[in-house]
Amino acid sequence: SYVLTQPPSVSVAPGKTARITCGGNNIGTKSVHWYQQKPGQAPVVFIYYDSDRPSGIPERFSGSTSGNTATLTISRVEAGDEADYYCQVWDTTTAHPVFGGGTKLTVL
Amino acid sequence: EVQLLVSGGGLVQPGGSLRLSCAASGFTFSTYAMSWVRQTPGKGLEWVSVISNSGGRTFYGDSVKGRFTISRDNSKNTLYLQMNSLRVEDTAVYYCATVNQLLMYYFEYWGRGTLVTVSS
Repeated sequence: SYVLTQPPSVSVAPGKTARITCGGNNIGTKSVHWYQQKPGQAPVVFIYYDSDRPSGIPERFSGSTSGNTATLTISRVEAGDEADYYCQVWDTTTAHPVFGGGTKLTVL
Repeated sequence: EVQLLVSGGGLVQPGGSLRLSCAASGFTFSTYAMSWVRQTPGKGLEWVSVISNSGGRTFYGDSVKGRFTISRDNSKNTLYLQMNSLRVEDTAVYYCATVNQLLMYYFEYWGRGTLVTVSS
């Protein structure tokens, strides 16, 4: 089955840019979705189909894909952005959705 | 406002059964495919099952196929997950979620989740 690899943790200072990666074989050919999850809460979709943002999601959040890596970029990071972030794609081999292991974003 | 209220979790012994419910409101339930996703501390998020808007098509993850059954009652705006032959490794928080289409989808709205603990 298709494997998505995320770094377990990323740390960033307030006001700086955070980049959370999601690695997968030729992930650039797939649609990538990103979710934010805060402790005790359900995940919330922040980016869908690589770079689209649902209404209400700040423009500071953006997504991109290239080659074997998808990236969630968070500009001008705020304390409230501290959360776990998960990427998700569709595995065409199994016809199932697949999640990355998640990345904990810490705002220093 | 979309609301998904999940209930039915609890403690069950290995080999036992449990039925989860997800009551939907704030959108036209019968027009949306619906899914269950679970989360364990060790394995993160794992897709469990999906059902078409009419209920006529269902799909399951390999780890639950043959043991879990997804269903829905559009007259009650409710999604279900019948879980049989439960195993310790089924212990997780179970979420219901709307999906934007039946294949190649993403999870648009999520309920708060219910904890299922399988233990003797």
